Amino acid sequence: GENVEQHPSTLSVQEGDSAVIKCTYSDSASNYFPWYKQELGKRPQLIIDIRSNVGEKKDQRIAVTLNKTAKHFSLHITETQPEDSAVYFCAASYGADGLTFGKGTHLIIQP
Amino acid sequence: SAVISQKPSRDICQRGTSLTIQCQVDSQVTMMFWYRQQPGQSLTLIATANQGSEATYESGFVIDKFPISRPNLTFSTLTVSNMSPEDSSIYLCSVANSGREQYFGPGTRLTVT
Repeated sequence: GENVEQHPSTLSVQEGDSAVIKCTYSDSASNYFPWYKQELGKRPQLIIDIRSNVGEKKDQRIAVTLNKTAKHFSLHITETQPEDSAVYFCAASYGADGLTFGKGTHLIIQP
Repeated sequence: SAVISQKPSRDICQRGTSLTIQCQVDSQVTMMFWYRQQPGQSLTLIATANQGSEATYESGFVIDKFPISRPNLTFSTLTVSNMSPEDSSIYLCSVANSGREQYFGPGTRLTVT
């Protein structure tokens, strides 16, 4: 089955700087790659996703890139703000299957 | 987007008993899934709840332990059977339509003593 590796497990950046979280996946058949943000005690919230026919997608301060050949995808957050502090999860799936998640990245925004 | 609710929001149960968790959506959805999130951990897919047929379970999860029902396109239940302390976790349902974006319910926090 699919295996998703996520790095780093913890990332601390200064407010206003950029943050990058990276994931790799093992199953070349996977074709859907969402990112979730989870605040303490809350449900995971879908923030952006990308499909395998696209290399990059951007939504305001967040962007995701996908390299199918290398089987890795990344989340980029620019101009970080205190409200960006949370745990971020990457995931992968094929078709309408359920998601396989990475272990998560605890993003800390330092004031 | 769809409004997803789960009942109960939390429960404390004794080992050996069973708990049924409900997931209700305010509109019809194509897919419903059940996940488990142990404290401080990532999410693990338990099964896909199939409308009108048996659920599809992931490796490591079996129907006898986690029976699932999905009688229609807006409702599903997950039962955690013969519970042990290792079953203490947050159980989340998620829903998706043809666009594949999955949205999660608020979760059910289960503690087994």
